[in-house]
Amino acid sequence: RKEVEQDPGPFNVPEGATVAFNCTYSNSASQSFFWYRQDCRKEPKLLMSVYSSGNEDGRFTAQLNRASQYISLLIRDSKLSDSATYLCVVILPPKGNMLTFGGGTRLMVKP
Amino acid sequence: DTAVSQTPKYLVTQMGNDKSIKCEQNLGHDTMYWYKQDSKKFLKIMFSYNNKELIINETVPNRFSPKSPDKAHLNLHINSLELGDSAVYFCASTRGTDTQETQYFGPGTRLLVL
Repeated sequence: RKEVEQDPGPFNVPEGATVAFNCTYSNSASQSFFWYRQDCRKEPKLLMSVYSSGNEDGRFTAQLNRASQYISLLIRDSKLSDSATYLCVVILPPKGNMLTFGGGTRLMVKP
Repeated sequence: DTAVSQTPKYLVTQMGNDKSIKCEQNLGHDTMYWYKQDSKKFLKIMFSYNNKELIINETVPNRFSPKSPDKAHLNLHINSLELGDSAVYFCASTRGTDTQETQYFGPGTRLLVL
């Protein structure tokens, strides 16, 4: 079983739609969680950290469920510019600040 | 101003050759990393250096040797290149080693081994 698993997609949604991605992780002792965004042929960039209480940044909401070992990302009112691959990232002890990436979920927002 | 830069951007070479990729960050960070993203888009950590000292080595073959001449630079030398080394190599940096710190990635070096 992979340490971090995501549905690769692609998710094809119309502009304005709400879309959600889930990600599961295998190590219950995982400490920190993030969503990164990677555009085609570009480097990954931090989208948001995921906190235990859940957190929101504009149209983006991240949730963490430690009991079920999954994190989620909700995007409301999708824009064309949201088209990208969304990477679920976990820090697994005892690997310090070493990021462990999921395989990514590809989102395509259509007009 | 580029925060994390890598050279070269593209590298095409023959199997068996030795090549180097360079990374520089102007953020004043203490910690730098190398990641490999294969053809299936999986990103995996290879090495991490903090203040020029190796702190993570994720069972990477000995053919890969990182070198950090100072904390702003982390280079990657690869000996006897193999077809399976074809990938995109990303350098990244963080201010320290705290788990919540944002990692800043370079633009990547696309390596193709023929």
